[in-house]
Amino acid sequence: AQTVTQSQPEMSVQEAETVTLSCTYDTSESDYYLFWYKQPPSRQMILVIRQEAYKQQNATENRFSVNFQKAAKSFSLKISDSQLGDAAMYFCAYRSGPTGANSKLTFGKGITLSVRP
Amino acid sequence: DAGVIQSPRHEVTEMGQEVTLRCKPISGHNSLFWYRQTMMRGLELLIYFNNNVPIDDSGMPEDRFSAKMPNASFSTLKIQPSEPRDSAVYFCASSFGQRNQPQHFGDGTRLSIL
Repeated sequence: AQTVTQSQPEMSVQEAETVTLSCTYDTSESDYYLFWYKQPPSRQMILVIRQEAYKQQNATENRFSVNFQKAAKSFSLKISDSQLGDAAMYFCAYRSGPTGANSKLTFGKGITLSVRP
Repeated sequence: DAGVIQSPRHEVTEMGQEVTLRCKPISGHNSLFWYRQTMMRGLELLIYFNNNVPIDDSGMPEDRFSAKMPNASFSTLKIQPSEPRDSAVYFCASSFGQRNQPQHFGDGTRLSIL
């Protein structure tokens, strides 16, 4: 079974600074997908960014980018120019990629990010 | 476009009562997922459907929990009888076809069993 580990329960960043959230995972599969979701106090689950394991290029979405290290099974999220609205809980998630029906997301425990004005 | 719609947004009931949570997936999506979020266990999958057929229900805690998807636009998660330890936020999510398509989440139902 796959596992996702987010070892840092909390992090804090100064507004306009850069912060990196860590995530590691364990799998024996070679084909899979990784996601970062954001959950603000409103409790919505909002997709931030996704990465296909077969792609070597790191995904980027505006101020959000990932550092995907497949051999190390590491998938960190970098937030540049942090804004107050980035304060939320962030979840790393894994999904199997082999052929077949859509499969479940396995989530890490999450990390609470606070942004200092 | 309307997102995933869940109802009710909040539910408070006494233990022993039947609870029904409802979900309308995004139109055109063919996979539907029910997740539960608690402080202790985080986010965990309860069950998911593909083309209205349950594919994996290994996360359903016990026989008190049941889920149905009678058609492509509606699903229910039922707890009978409810217990205080069922208190959690329950999310429904849907996605379409391809494996790299993300799951879109509803706003969740906060369930409190007294």
